[in-house]
Amino acid sequence: QSVVTQPPSASGTPGQRVTISCSGSISNVGNYYVSWYQLLPGTAPKLLLYRNNQRPSGVPDRFSGSKSDTSASLAISGLRSEDEADYYCASWDDSLSGWVFGGGTKLTVL
Amino acid sequence: EVQLVQSGAEVKKPGESLKISCKGSGYSFSGYWIVWVRQMPGKGLEWMGIIYPENSDIRFSPSFQGQVTISVDKSSSTAFLQWSSLRASDSGIYYCARLFGHCTDTDCSFPIHWFDPWGQGTQVTVSS
Repeated sequence: QSVVTQPPSASGTPGQRVTISCSGSISNVGNYYVSWYQLLPGTAPKLLLYRNNQRPSGVPDRFSGSKSDTSASLAISGLRSEDEADYYCASWDDSLSGWVFGGGTKLTVL
Repeated sequence: EVQLVQSGAEVKKPGESLKISCKGSGYSFSGYWIVWVRQMPGKGLEWMGIIYPENSDIRFSPSFQGQVTISVDKSSSTAFLQWSSLRASDSGIYYCARLFGHCTDTDCSFPIHWFDPWGQGTQVTVSS
């Protein structure tokens, strides 16, 4: 069980806005940047956000991020069927002296 | 295009050895850390370890120290993850990724980095 908690599942209908939370502690999320990754079966995981809310080139502005205290969030607006995937947050962790991932959230587009 | 391409799926028996690879292209391979990440069946991602190709500096997650070997061949821009004696519990998908970040004059520490790009993953199945 990860020290960073994400809801195991989330869902929404096309066009809706959904948020996925990432809850940690002062030893990880609370003190360090959070990045977000999208995993689709059979494909390379994709970086969605870095430094809490920065989008790499090519990532639509439908994806946004925020962080407050020991929690971070990924928001997806204008939900599309192709957004159906697993989403993971990641952060440095002082206790591990390495990176910790959230448990992952499976997003279903209804 | 910056890319990491991993070796293909493997099916092994318990006790066998295995070495999987991750070949980088489109960037200066030696100058960026490569990280290995495990995803066990139905589970989340776990950071295993990290290697700096220029000098083979390696750091391990405590959970994986002594369980796997991480190495690199600079001449072929390839990183490797190796097991000497596989167990069924080693089954899963293994990803490599490049560690990337925007360093400042005063800070280029690990925490300011992120993983980009990723390899496509190598499925490892260990079964008798």
